[in-house]
Amino acid sequence: GDSVTQMEGPVTLSEEAFLTINCTYTATGYPSLFWYVQYPGEGLQLLLKATKADDKGSNKGFEATYRKETTSFHLEKGSVQVSDSAVYFCALQARSGGYQKVTFGTGTKLQVIP
Amino acid sequence: DADVTQTPRNRITKTGKRIMLECSQTKGHDRMYWYRQDPGLGLRLIYYSFDVKDINKGEISDGYSVSRQAQAKFSLSLESAIPNQTALYFCATSEGAGANVLTFGAGSRLTVL
Repeated sequence: GDSVTQMEGPVTLSEEAFLTINCTYTATGYPSLFWYVQYPGEGLQLLLKATKADDKGSNKGFEATYRKETTSFHLEKGSVQVSDSAVYFCALQARSGGYQKVTFGTGTKLQVIP
Repeated sequence: DADVTQTPRNRITKTGKRIMLECSQTKGHDRMYWYRQDPGLGLRLIYYSFDVKDINKGEISDGYSVSRQAQAKFSLSLESAIPNQTALYFCATSEGAGANVLTFGAGSRLTVL
């Protein structure tokens, strides 16, 4: 079945450091890929998405490129802020029967210290 | 008001009790979902509904039931709660086919003693 593998957390960075959170996936067909973010005490919200190979999703300084050849969708940000502290989930959406099933990774907690 | 509202936000109950978690949305979306979040396991789908008459089991539906009372309301019930149902539960909605973005509620934290 479909699966998403994220790097283990927690990740602790100093403010203004470069961030990479790795995400690889296994899926049949051509899934859409997402990054969701969960701030403390809140539900998940979409950060960015990409729907086909070589697409780059971007939002709030975060970027991720859909790499079909390496089945990856790594999240990057050039300079993190304390306000970026949250849990980040990689997810894929692919057809499963008559339904576009969403499969989530286990999440990566990011802590940014001043 | 939030687009997706869950009640209660926190609930502590005892083994064997019946519990209902409620979800309402103002997005006008047809599709609604219930997920469970456990540390280290990510989110797992419990049930989903494409409209009022279309309800489907997800990957971990045992011990749970749902009711879609209206397009905007989707409730999750635990008929006889057990401790391993202690988790954070999320309701979500989406618009339809294609690369659907899920809109989540703030979550309901359930503790079963």
